[in-house]
Amino acid sequence: DTEVTQTPKHLVMGMTNKKSLKCEQHMGHRAMYWYKQKAKKPPELMFVYSYEKLSINESVPSRFSPECPNSSLLNLHLHALQPEDSALYLCASSPTGTGGPFGELFFGEGSRLTVL
Amino acid sequence: AQRVTQPEKLLSVFKGAPVELKCNYSYSGSPELFWYVQYSRQRLQLLLRHISRESIKGFTADLNKGETSFHLKKPFAQEEDSAMYYCALSTGNTGKLIFGQGTTLQVKP
Repeated sequence: DTEVTQTPKHLVMGMTNKKSLKCEQHMGHRAMYWYKQKAKKPPELMFVYSYEKLSINESVPSRFSPECPNSSLLNLHLHALQPEDSALYLCASSPTGTGGPFGELFFGEGSRLTVL
Repeated sequence: AQRVTQPEKLLSVFKGAPVELKCNYSYSGSPELFWYVQYSRQRLQLLLRHISRESIKGFTADLNKGETSFHLKKPFAQEEDSAMYYCALSTGNTGKLIFGQGTTLQVKP
Protein backbone atom coordinates (compact mmCIF):
# COMPACT_ATOMS: atom_id res chain seq x y z
CA ASP A 1 0.00 0.00 0.00
CA THR A 2 1.70 3.19 -1.16
CA GLU A 3 -0.98 5.72 -0.37
CA VAL A 4 -2.15 7.98 2.37
CA THR A 5 -5.84 7.37 2.98
CA GLN A 6 -8.12 9.95 4.53
CA THR A 7 -11.67 9.54 5.79
CA PRO A 8 -14.22 10.91 5.45
CA LYS A 9 -13.86 12.57 2.05
CA HIS A 10 -16.58 15.08 2.91
CA LEU A 11 -17.87 16.24 6.28
CA VAL A 12 -20.55 18.77 7.15
CA MET A 13 -20.85 19.76 10.79
CA GLY A 14 -22.50 22.35 12.96
CA MET A 15 -20.60 24.65 15.26
CA THR A 16 -21.54 22.59 18.32
CA ASN A 17 -20.65 19.19 16.88
CA LYS A 18 -17.68 17.00 17.69
CA LYS A 19 -16.21 15.06 14.79
CA SER A 20 -12.90 13.50 13.77
CA LEU A 21 -10.86 13.24 10.62
CA LYS A 22 -8.78 10.12 10.14
CA CYS A 23 -5.60 9.44 8.21
CA GLU A 24 -3.79 6.18 7.64
CA GLN A 25 -0.56 5.14 5.93
CA HIS A 26 1.15 1.76 5.74
CA MET A 27 4.40 2.83 4.13
CA GLY A 28 6.36 2.77 7.38
CA HIS A 29 6.71 6.54 7.35
CA ARG A 30 7.76 8.09 10.64
CA ALA A 31 6.47 11.63 10.23
CA MET A 32 2.85 12.61 9.68
CA TYR A 33 1.28 15.99 9.07
CA TRP A 34 -1.97 17.90 9.02
CA TYR A 35 -2.34 20.75 6.56
CA LYS A 36 -5.24 23.08 5.92
CA GLN A 37 -5.94 24.28 2.40
CA LYS A 38 -8.39 26.98 1.40
CA ALA A 39 -9.56 27.27 -2.20
CA LYS A 40 -6.84 28.41 -4.61
CA LYS A 41 -4.36 28.78 -1.73
CA PRO A 42 -1.31 26.72 -0.78
CA PRO A 43 -1.47 24.20 2.03
CA GLU A 44 -0.81 25.67 5.47
CA LEU A 45 0.92 23.50 8.03
CA MET A 46 -1.03 22.79 11.21
CA PHE A 47 0.73 19.94 13.03
CA VAL A 48 3.70 17.61 12.62
CA TYR A 49 4.15 14.30 14.39
CA SER A 50 7.58 12.73 14.33
CA TYR A 51 7.93 9.19 15.71
CA GLU A 52 4.38 9.52 17.11
CA LYS A 53 5.24 12.62 19.14
CA LEU A 54 3.91 16.07 18.39
CA SER A 55 6.89 18.07 17.17
CA ILE A 56 5.24 21.13 15.62
CA ASN A 57 2.01 22.95 16.43
CA GLU A 58 1.68 26.02 14.25
CA SER A 59 -0.32 27.95 16.87
CA VAL A 60 -3.47 26.15 15.85
CA PRO A 61 -6.60 26.97 17.92
CA SER A 62 -7.45 24.36 20.54
CA ARG A 63 -10.70 23.51 18.79
CA PHE A 64 -8.43 21.37 16.58
CA SER A 65 -6.88 18.51 18.53
CA PRO A 66 -4.48 16.08 16.84
CA GLU A 67 -3.82 12.56 17.97
CA CYS A 68 -1.36 9.94 16.78
CA PRO A 69 -2.42 6.56 18.25
CA ASN A 70 0.35 4.66 16.44
CA SER A 71 2.85 5.08 13.65
CA SER A 72 0.25 4.40 10.94
CA LEU A 73 -2.65 6.51 12.17
CA LEU A 74 -3.27 10.20 12.61
CA ASN A 75 -6.50 11.77 13.77
CA LEU A 76 -7.73 15.33 13.92
CA HIS A 77 -10.48 15.89 16.47
CA LEU A 78 -12.77 18.81 15.77
CA HIS A 79 -14.93 20.60 18.33
CA ALA A 80 -16.78 23.92 18.34
CA LEU A 81 -15.49 24.91 14.93
CA GLN A 82 -16.31 28.16 13.18
CA PRO A 83 -17.56 28.62 9.61
CA GLU A 84 -14.16 30.05 8.66
CA ASP A 85 -12.65 26.65 9.48
CA SER A 86 -14.32 25.26 6.37
CA ALA A 87 -11.50 24.01 4.14
CA LEU A 88 -9.79 20.97 2.69
CA TYR A 89 -7.77 19.20 5.38
CA LEU A 90 -4.81 17.32 4.03
CA CYS A 91 -2.87 14.60 5.75
CA ALA A 92 0.64 13.78 4.62
CA SER A 93 3.45 11.49 5.63
CA SER A 94 7.18 11.40 4.99
CA PRO A 95 9.67 8.58 5.28
CA THR A 96 11.93 10.02 7.95
CA GLY A 97 11.42 11.54 11.34
CA THR A 98 13.57 14.11 13.09
CA GLY A 99 16.98 14.41 11.54
CA GLY A 100 16.04 13.34 8.06
CA PRO A 101 15.07 15.16 4.89
CA PHE A 102 11.44 16.15 5.37
CA GLY A 103 10.61 17.56 2.04
CA GLU A 104 9.27 14.49 0.27
CA LEU A 105 5.70 14.43 1.50
CA PHE A 106 3.06 11.95 0.40
CA PHE A 107 -0.37 13.53 0.54
CA GLY A 108 -3.81 12.10 0.97
CA GLU A 109 -6.72 13.31 -1.14
CA GLY A 110 -8.04 15.36 1.73
CA SER A 111 -11.20 15.69 3.78
CA ARG A 112 -13.41 18.56 2.68
CA LEU A 113 -14.94 20.11 5.77
CA THR A 114 -17.93 22.45 5.79
CA VAL A 115 -18.91 24.11 9.06
CA LEU A 116 -22.43 25.50 9.15
CA ALA B 1 12.29 35.23 7.39
CA GLN B 2 11.66 32.05 5.46
CA ARG B 3 9.58 32.68 2.40
CA VAL B 4 8.80 31.24 -1.03
CA THR B 5 7.61 33.54 -3.78
CA GLN B 6 5.95 32.48 -7.00
CA PRO B 7 5.27 35.72 -8.82
CA GLU B 8 2.84 34.37 -11.40
CA LYS B 9 -0.64 33.19 -10.41
CA LEU B 10 -1.37 32.01 -13.93
CA LEU B 11 0.90 31.06 -16.80
CA SER B 12 -0.77 30.30 -20.10
CA VAL B 13 1.19 28.86 -23.03
CA PHE B 14 0.48 26.98 -26.23
CA LYS B 15 1.33 23.32 -26.64
CA GLY B 16 4.93 22.91 -27.73
CA ALA B 17 6.08 26.23 -26.29
CA PRO B 18 8.77 26.42 -23.60
CA VAL B 19 7.64 26.87 -20.02
CA GLU B 20 9.35 28.50 -17.05
CA LEU B 21 7.60 28.71 -13.70
CA LYS B 22 9.44 31.08 -11.42
CA CYS B 23 10.27 30.48 -7.78
CA ASN B 24 12.37 32.61 -5.44
CA TYR B 25 13.10 31.83 -1.83
CA SER B 26 14.35 33.56 1.26
CA TYR B 27 16.22 31.42 3.77
CA SER B 28 19.47 32.03 5.63
CA GLY B 29 20.44 28.38 5.95
CA SER B 30 21.07 25.65 3.41
CA PRO B 31 17.75 25.17 1.59
CA GLU B 32 16.09 22.05 0.32
CA LEU B 33 13.74 22.96 -2.49
CA PHE B 34 10.97 21.06 -4.17
CA TRP B 35 8.30 21.37 -6.81
CA TYR B 36 4.91 19.84 -6.06
CA VAL B 37 2.14 19.47 -8.62
CA GLN B 38 -1.62 19.10 -8.28
CA TYR B 39 -3.45 17.91 -11.38
CA SER B 40 -7.21 18.43 -11.57
CA ARG B 41 -9.00 16.15 -9.09
CA GLN B 42 -5.76 14.47 -8.01
CA ARG B 43 -3.77 14.66 -4.84
CA LEU B 44 -0.83 16.94 -4.35
CA GLN B 45 2.33 15.07 -5.31
CA LEU B 46 6.06 15.63 -5.46
CA LEU B 47 7.34 16.48 -8.93
CA LEU B 48 11.02 16.92 -8.25
CA ARG B 49 13.58 17.94 -5.63
CA HIS B 50 16.73 19.92 -6.15
CA ILE B 51 19.11 17.44 -4.55
CA SER B 52 18.14 14.75 -7.05
CA ARG B 53 19.01 16.89 -10.07
CA GLU B 54 16.65 14.75 -12.10
CA SER B 55 14.23 15.36 -14.94
CA ILE B 56 10.66 14.27 -14.32
CA LYS B 57 8.07 14.38 -17.14
CA GLY B 58 10.52 16.58 -19.03
CA PHE B 59 10.71 19.15 -16.23
CA THR B 60 13.97 20.30 -14.69
CA ALA B 61 14.80 22.81 -11.99
CA ASP B 62 18.19 24.17 -10.98
CA LEU B 63 18.93 25.72 -7.63
CA ASN B 64 20.67 29.07 -8.06
CA LYS B 65 21.90 30.13 -4.63
CA GLY B 66 23.24 33.44 -5.92
CA GLU B 67 19.82 34.47 -7.21
CA THR B 68 17.95 32.44 -4.54
CA SER B 69 15.86 30.90 -7.28
CA PHE B 70 14.57 27.47 -8.21
CA HIS B 71 12.72 27.95 -11.46
CA LEU B 72 10.92 25.02 -13.11
CA LYS B 73 11.48 24.58 -16.83
CA LYS B 74 10.27 22.43 -19.67
CA PRO B 75 11.32 22.93 -23.28
CA PHE B 76 8.05 21.80 -24.88
CA ALA B 77 4.82 22.03 -22.92
CA GLN B 78 2.13 19.37 -23.28
CA GLU B 79 -1.59 19.75 -22.57
CA GLU B 80 -1.33 17.18 -19.79
CA ASP B 81 1.08 19.52 -17.97
CA SER B 82 -1.85 21.78 -17.12
CA ALA B 83 -2.00 21.85 -13.32
CA MET B 84 -1.24 23.86 -10.21
CA TYR B 85 2.46 23.95 -9.38
CA TYR B 86 3.81 24.76 -5.93
CA CYS B 87 7.40 25.53 -5.10
CA ALA B 88 8.28 24.49 -1.55
CA LEU B 89 11.14 25.05 0.88
CA SER B 90 12.17 22.63 3.60
CA THR B 91 13.93 24.33 6.48
CA GLY B 92 16.19 21.57 7.68
CA ASN B 93 15.10 18.77 9.96
CA THR B 94 12.18 20.54 11.61
CA GLY B 95 9.44 18.91 9.57
CA LYS B 96 8.29 22.24 8.20
CA LEU B 97 7.63 22.62 4.47
CA ILE B 98 6.82 26.14 3.32
CA PHE B 99 4.80 26.45 0.12
CA GLY B 100 4.70 29.30 -2.34
CA GLN B 101 1.33 30.66 -3.44
CA GLY B 102 1.28 28.41 -6.48
CA THR B 103 1.19 28.97 -10.24
CA THR B 104 -1.56 27.58 -12.43
CA LEU B 105 -0.09 26.37 -15.71
CA GLN B 106 -2.55 26.30 -18.57
CA VAL B 107 -1.35 24.66 -21.78
CA LYS B 108 -3.60 25.45 -24.71
CA PRO B 109 -3.90 23.17 -27.76
